[in-house]
Amino acid sequence: TQLLEQSPQFLSIQEGENLTVYCNSSSVFSSLQWYRQEPGEGPVLLVTVVTGGEVKKLKRLTFQFGDARKDSSLHITAAQPGDTGLYLCAGALDNTDKLIFGTGTRLQVFP
Amino acid sequence: GAVVSQHPSRVICKSGTSVKIECRSLDFQATTMFWYRQFPKKSLMLMATSNEGSKATYEQGVEKDKFLINHASLTLSTLTVTSAHPEDSSFYICSARRGSGIIGEQYFGPGTRLTVT
Repeated sequence: TQLLEQSPQFLSIQEGENLTVYCNSSSVFSSLQWYRQEPGEGPVLLVTVVTGGEVKKLKRLTFQFGDARKDSSLHITAAQPGDTGLYLCAGALDNTDKLIFGTGTRLQVFP
Repeated sequence: GAVVSQHPSRVICKSGTSVKIECRSLDFQATTMFWYRQFPKKSLMLMATSNEGSKATYEQGVEKDKFLINHASLTLSTLTVTSAHPEDSSFYICSARRGSGIIGEQYFGPGTRLTVT
């Protein structure tokens, strides 16, 4: 059973455009992470959010954790070709370290 | 930083042989390490959780006798794929959690591409 659904699955945009990726669940998470993965490499941690309603910014990336800690979003402003990759959200359930990964969003940014 | 390495990065083996993959945390002690498998264009699937000095906990459907995990120290965990078959070909990724880190926060290795011929 896939507990974390990401949308959209695929996103192909031009450089300079804005985009938002959503990560939704019916489960409550102790923490939620966003990772970016490039082909043939391991995921790289972008951010961890812990508190409901929390907003974190990392340069052009803005991450938000839902008030009920069941969902999250990633907003990218003025996307660049270097943002291309697979974006994965992952949540920790029940105060355990075990992560449940989202279905993934594959982003392609064209120059 | 929190750097995790994996070795080898790529391995090709013949059907029926065993392959060992190493996962090391280079600049921190990892109380817990995790092993994942990733199929092409798919998300990560957790195989097992490895705690230093104790037996690994395997996810449902993962054969513990086929995927042997050893976590001998706070910086090293190994995954051995025994009697490998072509269907075991995949991208295997490990991750590590710092003892004092935020719960759930994991740092990933670069992955190992296993091809069984």
